Amino acid sequence: GAGVSQTPSNKVTEKGKYVELRCDPISGHTALYWYRQSLGQGPEFLIYFQGTGAADDSGLPNDRFFAVRPEGSVSTLKIQRTERGDSAVYLCASSSHSSGSYNEQFFGPGTRLTVL
Amino acid sequence: ELKVEQNPLFLSMQEGKNYTIYCNYSTTSDRLYWYRQDPGKSLESLFVLLSNGAVKQEGRLMASLDTKARLSTLHITAAVHDLSATYFCAVGGLAGGTSYGKLTFGQGTILTVHP
Repeated sequence: GAGVSQTPSNKVTEKGKYVELRCDPISGHTALYWYRQSLGQGPEFLIYFQGTGAADDSGLPNDRFFAVRPEGSVSTLKIQRTERGDSAVYLCASSSHSSGSYNEQFFGPGTRLTVL
Repeated sequence: ELKVEQNPLFLSMQEGKNYTIYCNYSTTSDRLYWYRQDPGKSLESLFVLLSNGAVKQEGRLMASLDTKARLSTLHITAAVHDLSATYFCAVGGLAGGTSYGKLTFGQGTILTVHP
C-alpha cells in the first residue's frame, strides 16, 4: 500500500519568506509526527498529532513554526519568516495506535528545505 | 531530559566480520526502536523492542534490549556491503515525562562495510 508522502521534496526559499510543507500519512493512521533532521544528526521531534489535535508540540523551536491537521489526515507544517538556521530535512511519520501497533512510526521521504 | 547516545558514531568493517552498535538512554522507557537510513533517503524501521530481555533478529542483524541497564545493542553478523548505511536507535514511550508519541533519537552510527 501507499506509504507516507511529503510534498514538495525540495524547497528553496529566501530568508524571511513563508513556507508550507505537506504530509499525507498512511491511510487509517491516527497519529502523525513531524521531525527535523539536520545534516549528520538524528531526527529531532517537533510535534505530534493524535487525530486533529496536537498531543505534544513541545519540540516546536519557536512561534514561527506552526502545524495543523484539520481533518485528521493530511498535515501542513508552516514556517513564518524563515531563517537560514531552519534549513534541514523535515520528516513526517505516521503510526497506528491500534493494539499491537507498538506505535511503530513509518517515515516519509522528507522535504529538504534550504533557506538562502 | 531524555538523552540517547550511540557508539560508535563511525564504524568501518570488513565484509564477513561481526560488530555491535550500542545505544544507551538516560531515563526509563518501555520501548526502543532501531531504524536504518541510506544516504539521501528516509528512515526504514528495523526493530521494535518492547520489554526487558527482548531480542529480535532479521537476517544478519540482531537487536536486544536491557531496560535495567538502559541499553540496547544492534549486532551485525558476517557483514556484507549492502548493510552500509546509518543506523539510529530511538527511545519512545512514557520516558521521563515525554509524551507517548515522541521519539528521541541517538546521533546515528555510520556503518561502512568494505570488501
